[in-house]
Amino acid sequence: DVKVTQSSRYLVKRTGEKVFLECVQDMDHENMFWYRQDPGLGLRLIYFSYDVKMKEKGDIPEGYSVSREKKERFSLILESASTNQTSMYLCASSLSLTGELFFGEGSRLTVL
Amino acid sequence: AQRVTQPEKLLSVFKGAPVELKCNYSYSGSPELFWYVQYSRQRLQLLLRHISRESIKGFTADLNKGETSFHLKKPFAQEEDSAMYYCALRWNTGNQFYFGTGTSLTVIP
Repeated sequence: DVKVTQSSRYLVKRTGEKVFLECVQDMDHENMFWYRQDPGLGLRLIYFSYDVKMKEKGDIPEGYSVSREKKERFSLILESASTNQTSMYLCASSLSLTGELFFGEGSRLTVL
Repeated sequence: AQRVTQPEKLLSVFKGAPVELKCNYSYSGSPELFWYVQYSRQRLQLLLRHISRESIKGFTADLNKGETSFHLKKPFAQEEDSAMYYCALRWNTGNQFYFGTGTSLTVIP
């Protein structure tokens, strides 16, 4: 089974702190994604990456950056956390050929 | 631009009743449509995709290009179907997925 692992299930940070969310997948998928999930808004794409060191902005990239130095790892960075970034963050990966997304369990971030 | 619309945020049906979760999309190309489901305390997972044309857990969904819809249906709802359901669209020119806002289904015993 494909496994997508997010390093932190729950985080509490203060406004202005730098936050790293890590995601690792073990099935050699080319594509990796970061979404945020908010009630009533569904899943919104923040960034995605289709190869090592490649990244593209999704619908809501403002306030976020990403890093993909290795194929299996995709990191989401909040340079200066703000309260409106309190959310559930979902990482996903996929093979280009099949297209199916495999999700991690999510990281719930609270910014105080 | 709204690419995927799920008009119902909440849907409640009685056990044994038919259920239909609506999904409409706006895309000029040839989309690939999916339904994803998230059960309580579980990760989001694929339920079905239109190209498979198969029934999963009794659910089916037909892509209607004329109406740009991909509604999810089940003839007899079960309590274990209670979950959050998301309709998703994948661009045929890339690997981006766009999700609807989700429908929370509750099946009443």
